[in-house]
Amino acid sequence: QSVLTQPPSASGTPGQRVTISCSGSSSNIESNTVNWYQQLPGTAPKLLIYSNNQRPSGVPDRFSGSKSGTSASLAISGLQSEDEADYYCAAWDDSLNVYVFGTGTRVTVL
Amino acid sequence: EVQLVESGGGLVQPGGSLKLSCAASGFTFSGSALHWVRQASGKGLEWVGRIRSKTTTYATTYAASVRGRFTISRDDSKNTAFLQMNSLKTEDTAVYYCARRGLNYAFDIWGQGTMVTVSS
Repeated sequence: QSVLTQPPSASGTPGQRVTISCSGSSSNIESNTVNWYQQLPGTAPKLLIYSNNQRPSGVPDRFSGSKSGTSASLAISGLQSEDEADYYCAAWDDSLNVYVFGTGTRVTVL
Repeated sequence: EVQLVESGGGLVQPGGSLKLSCAASGFTFSGSALHWVRQASGKGLEWVGRIRSKTTTYATTYAASVRGRFTISRDDSKNTAFLQMNSLKTEDTAVYYCARRGLNYAFDIWGQGTMVTVSS
């Protein structure tokens, strides 16, 4: 049972903006940085956003992250068909002393 | 090329054991913490545990669901990490990934995964 809650699904048409929320608590999101992972169908996860809002080299700037208090968000602007994937937020939890992933959000491009 | 490659997955009976390997190349393995993450079919990602580097005394931490049954180790001379899984249960059936921890607990390098099936 995950301690980070995400909506199960999100969708948009090409070019639209989609936002995914990630709700946690004072022991994880509020205390530590949030990372986001993208998992394309049948592949291993890939780091998408680290340290709340930083993009690794090669990640398009249409992906952006933010954090406020016990929640974080991932935004995809200018949605493209290749963005169809599962997205997970994650953070270290100081109380549980474990790394926690969000429940995951499947993004569909209509 | 920077990469992690898992191996050792397979079919095992409930109560059995299996040891997974994670071979690293293209980066300084000895200075990196390694994590294991699993994913049951159609489910989300679940963190399994981690092993830190020599500078932090190879400390290990585990998820509650595997604590006492799984053991993570590493051999820096062979650039390889291991996940020893004992007393396996059907609910341990999953694809197991190893991942390198980068800045701020971001897993910046992932292996391709290895499938573990626990079934009689």
